[in-house]
Amino acid sequence: DAMVIQNPRYQVTQFGKPVTLSCSQTLNHNVMYWYQQKSSQAPKLLFHYYDKDFNNEADTPDNFQSRRPNTSFCFLDIRSPGLGDAAMYLCATSRDRNSNEKLFFGSGTQLSVL
Amino acid sequence: AQSVTQLDSHVSVSEGTPVLLRCNYSSSYSPSLFWYVQHPNKGLQLLLKYTSAATLVKGINGFEAEFKKSETSFHLTKPSAHMSDAAEYFCVVSVGGNDMRFGAGTRLTVKP
Repeated sequence: DAMVIQNPRYQVTQFGKPVTLSCSQTLNHNVMYWYQQKSSQAPKLLFHYYDKDFNNEADTPDNFQSRRPNTSFCFLDIRSPGLGDAAMYLCATSRDRNSNEKLFFGSGTQLSVL
Repeated sequence: AQSVTQLDSHVSVSEGTPVLLRCNYSSSYSPSLFWYVQHPNKGLQLLLKYTSAATLVKGINGFEAEFKKSETSFHLTKPSAHMSDAAEYFCVVSVGGNDMRFGAGTRLTVKP
């Protein structure tokens, strides 16, 4: 009974070719997050949606965009992937943004850039 | 500002022996603290969280952590390691919203 589902599990794209990663949730949570995790590193927050309100991290490159067409779905768009964008991308949700809210993570999408 | 320091990048134990993964935090506010586990090529799963209630927090799979304000620590322990505990462990401090800081992670290896 997966609650946060990410598709695809593995994604291969070419240098400079736009790519979209998807995330869906069955929890009806208000907040959806996108994290980038490079090999042997901690997850790094790219941005999050609080309902329809988009919140970008200050150091997230403009190359990364996101869409949340409804409560259940959230997309990560990489407009022109570079070799340095190869990473695991993790989607997470939380009921709210309180400090004690736990995150529910999907299994991630491993992105390779050729 | 808040931050998290995981004192060991890699911990190796034998099966059946105790596990200790160390985490120190820094926060200007009363934080919530979490431990997440990540198995290879998987997402993160919550092990336990501290939110200003009992200082000794019990989590899943026999793990527990003790919040020590005087030492600004939140170390993760387990009395007896199992092979299935081999994974990456992240300590996280949160004061709400997007202000959630991950430690660099500790890779736990369990030897037979």
